[in-house]
Amino acid sequence: DTGVSQDPRHKITKRGQNVTFRCDPISEHNRLYWYRQTLGQGPEFLTYFQNEAQLEKSRLLSDRFSAERPKGSFSTLEIQRTEQGDSAMYLCASSYSDRGSGNPDTQYFGPGTRLTVL
Amino acid sequence: EDQVTQSPEALRLQEGESSSLNCSYTVSGLRGLFWYRQDPGKGPEFLFTLYSAGEEKEKERLKATLTKKESFLHITAPKPEDSATYLCAVQAMRGYSTLTFGKGTMLLVSP
Repeated sequence: DTGVSQDPRHKITKRGQNVTFRCDPISEHNRLYWYRQTLGQGPEFLTYFQNEAQLEKSRLLSDRFSAERPKGSFSTLEIQRTEQGDSAMYLCASSYSDRGSGNPDTQYFGPGTRLTVL
Repeated sequence: EDQVTQSPEALRLQEGESSSLNCSYTVSGLRGLFWYRQDPGKGPEFLFTLYSAGEEKEKERLKATLTKKESFLHITAPKPEDSATYLCAVQAMRGYSTLTFGKGTMLLVSP
């Protein structure tokens, strides 16, 4: 089990540029989540995929953000026209859960992508 | 709206000095409460899942407990390598399984 991986680990960009991050979940996991974390805060939910379907998006996810999970495998998160306020750690997590189960859904996180917008 | 409050914000201990971290929560129907450890510049590392009041789980020097309103993470005889930020998160029964996190407790254990 190689765990959740994210690429790149660090990204520095200039304001107004577009950036794309990739997440590879644990292979048998059917659920994938994106979170954003700023200094001194806990992670905040951005969006959620069940297999290839994007089922929930946070109000934090402006129109400049888009996420995909083609074929229910890896996922990408794109930020268009970056702003300095987008600087944060972007975390991906994955889990496996039976649909409709009331059991806790334990999520495993990747190492994150640190974005700095100059 | 689900809410998680962790205290203290920061805690400094001497090696071997036991203590507890608190996580108070409000959620409409608890599916699960989670504890994670986060080292600087890294992603959260899963520690425990709790979902039933009265439940306890242990791992090495850590023990997590759960009541209907709060959870505690007890650290027994900590070592410097236990220094990290400890995050608490809740997951509601309703909707999808997103996590609501607290701000964390930054623990520093001095030799």
